[in-house]
Amino acid sequence: NAGVTQTPKFQVLKTGQSMTLQCAQDMNHEYMSWYRQDPGMGLRLIHYSVGAGITDQGEVPNGYNVSRSTTEDFPLRLLSAAPSQTSVYFCASSTRTGFQPQHFGDGTRLSIL
Amino acid sequence: KNEVEQSPQNLTAQEGEFITINCSYSVGISALHWLQQHPGGGIVSLFMLSSGKKKHGRLIATINIQEKHSSLHITASHPRDSAVYICAASTNRDDKIIFGKGTRLHILP
Repeated sequence: NAGVTQTPKFQVLKTGQSMTLQCAQDMNHEYMSWYRQDPGMGLRLIHYSVGAGITDQGEVPNGYNVSRSTTEDFPLRLLSAAPSQTSVYFCASSTRTGFQPQHFGDGTRLSIL
Repeated sequence: KNEVEQSPQNLTAQEGEFITINCSYSVGISALHWLQQHPGGGIVSLFMLSSGKKKHGRLIATINIQEKHSSLHITASHPRDSAVYICAASTNRDDKIIFGKGTRLHILP
């Protein structure tokens, strides 16, 4: 099994550009989430989903959109990139919210110039 | 005040030393997680516990629900244990997990 696959691993954008960070899991997990990791701060939840067709906002949702059309995929869209969105992004999945270990992708390092 | 606090923030020790990393939380939890993040950046789940103690190899995690405190211990530490260790709480109020800021551990050979 591949687990949680994130692409790309690295990306540089200019301010105002849009892009999609891809996340796919092959473990049939219901729960998927996106986090950002910034220096000196813990992982912060951006958006999450408890199943296909269901998404909700986390702690820092502004500037990001998500959708969950299938169980496997949970893409994160940056609508108009800003330097404040420079960060490392992690996608995670688990079988149930909060009761099972989180499986993390390898992360996407995003720089906004 | 953060709802999940870890201490120390940074820890440097000699190979072979017994290591303790502490985590205190102020929310009601359904589970407490310990995660490891290596310099390459990947995050791996080490333990998930809601009571008592769990052991895996040289790693031991304990939790005291009454005191809202958990500890991660590493026995006979080794340079390959050098990583950031993250405590996270699954809250019992919603579907979310709250992360501590992490403890950066450096084991010297």
